[in-house]
Amino acid sequence: GESVGLHLPTLSVQEGDNSIINCAYSNSASDYFIWYKQESGKGPQFIIDIRSNMDKRQGQRVTVLLNKTVKHLSLQIAATQPGDSAVYFCAEITTNDYKLSFGAGTTVTVRA
Amino acid sequence: GAGVSQSPRYKVAKRGQDVALRCDPISGHVSLFWYQQALGQGPEFLTYFQNEAQLDKSGLPSDRFFAERPEGSVSTLKIQRTQQEDSAVYLCASSQTGGGYTFGSGTRLTVV
Repeated sequence: GESVGLHLPTLSVQEGDNSIINCAYSNSASDYFIWYKQESGKGPQFIIDIRSNMDKRQGQRVTVLLNKTVKHLSLQIAATQPGDSAVYFCAEITTNDYKLSFGAGTTVTVRA
Repeated sequence: GAGVSQSPRYKVAKRGQDVALRCDPISGHVSLFWYQQALGQGPEFLTYFQNEAQLDKSGLPSDRFFAERPEGSVSTLKIQRTQQEDSAVYLCASSQTGGGYTFGSGTRLTVV
């Protein structure tokens, strides 16, 4: 499943499929980007980050892609599991700043 | 402690009542942040402390909001004369210098 285009508020994906969550960021000066996962009743939890000198970074079952030309960020989740159901936020920051700026978030629902 | 602890988890306040929200950051974390998260939205920056110094309070929505961190560890966010628009989840995060954020689970404030 994929949230096509800049951003969709919800994404429904079949268990075992790959998920792609997209995010458009606003500040061309941002040089550090983070994906967070937020489950109901909990705070945002770090998933993966990427700096602007990279265009791809891989973690365990997750990959983040950064396209600075169009100010676009994506999170790919491989073999999506029921525990991946949550709201996913991208956040941007500039190195000498401290304020995270969050996008609106995408709600991912995994179908069994 | 192992994580950022916030209390209470839930708070219901009558309009006009004062409330105080507490944050216990990770021990040794210099930086502490407060964010406000409205329903269905991403977190929005409120204020930032480095040790006991409040370096940025530009995100506080009105002078009814006040935050302190007198000894450089525990922080309290106080809201005076609460209004319905103050209903939100208030998130606290802490970090070491140059390190990533760790968020608490938040306090859900409902003003009735």
